[in-house]
Order: sequence, then structure tokens, then C-alpha cells
Amino acid sequence: DAGITQSPRHKVTETGTPVTLRCHQTENHRYMYWYRQDPGHGLRLIHYSYGVKDTDKGEVSDGYSVSRSKTEDFLLTLESATSSQTSVYFCAISESKDQPQHFGDGTRLSIL
Amino acid sequence: AQSVTQLDSQVPVFEEAPVELRCNYSSSVSVYLFWYVQYPNQGLQLLLKYLSGSTLVKGINGFEAEFNKSQTSFHLRKPSVHISDTAEYFCAVSADSGGYQKVTFGTGTKLQVIP
Repeated sequence: DAGITQSPRHKVTETGTPVTLRCHQTENHRYMYWYRQDPGHGLRLIHYSYGVKDTDKGEVSDGYSVSRSKTEDFLLTLESATSSQTSVYFCAISESKDQPQHFGDGTRLSIL
Repeated sequence: AQSVTQLDSQVPVFEEAPVELRCNYSSSVSVYLFWYVQYPNQGLQLLLKYLSGSTLVKGINGFEAEFNKSQTSFHLRKPSVHISDTAEYFCAVSADSGGYQKVTFGTGTKLQVIP
């Protein structure tokens, strides 16, 4: 299995609070991605990174920001959490942009 | 733009019977195709991939898929399923989108293997 660790695995927080999710990889892959998974929607891309300090928006980026200061870490921040951001968040990595993505085990986030 | 359609949201099948999970896609450019499996409370695990070459692709756990360009399909098959195959399966299409490879996932098919 690809060396991907997501933390925390579960989190419950309140509306309006900031939340940061962490993805750590040991594969030295260039590309990293954050997705959210919701029933009936499959997986939707939030943000991705193609190198240290190089990030860009995906299809559902509103309300989210990311940072990548090191190859191995990709952080996802909800600046002010809302109930609509309750979801399961997955990090993925890929060696190059045309290689398959490999996924972490996810973070289940509940915003009350 | 690209899209993926998994026509069946749930597929019940008896143990040791064959199964086919259907996937159709649309894209204006060349694509790569993937099938992933997700077990409860886990991430997605790559089952198989089509990048180029032979249209019949073999993956892990005895699964295979056939790329049909004319019908824009990439159906997943297994000749004899086991209880342990109970999971959700996602078809995905990937195409170059400038700075990255945009991957679009289907909404998933839940395979329920009945003893």
C-alpha cells in the first residue's frame, strides 16, 4: 500500500471554527490531491498540488484552502467550517500526472 | 468536459456467480480509465487501469475490464465472486487538463455478494 497517512481520522467540530486536515506521504510523489466524498456525488476534487508551494483549485474549492511547504505534507484548511462541509475527506497522491492516484484512508469530519 | 456514468447503484449477486459492473464515459480527448474498490471505512484501492495497449485489462482479485472505444465503455467483470468482494466499486476517467490529470469518478456501484 502507498504510504499515505491522514490525520485526524475523525473529527467533530462546531460551525464557524477553523479546521485543518493533514496528509502525509512517504512515497516522495510530486502530485497530491484533496477530495471530498458525499453520497450520490462520488469523489469531487477540492484542491491539488503539483509540487512544493504549487497548488491549484479543483471543482469544489470554495471555503477551502491548502498549503504544501514540504513534498511529504499537504494541508487542507476549512477557514470557517459550515455544516455543508460535513463529509469524508480523502487525500491522494500520484507519481506523475498520468499515473493512477493512490488514496489514504480518509478523515470523517462532522460539523455541528 | 468529461463524465462517467455507472448505471447500477447496487448489484446483488450470489456467491460464485459471475458479475459485470457497467461503466460508460464521455470525453472529447483521449483518456485513461480506472476501476477502484472501496471497503467500509477505507480509502479507494486501485483494482486495474487502462493507459494504452491491449483493451482487455486484468487487475487484482481476479477482476478484469475491457475498454471499448466505440461504445465508450469500460465494464468490470469477474467470473466468480466471493463474499469478500462485497464493497463499493468506482469507475474513473482521467484526461489531461493542463497542469494536472483531471480524474472524474462515477457515483459508485455497491456490489453485494449473497451467500
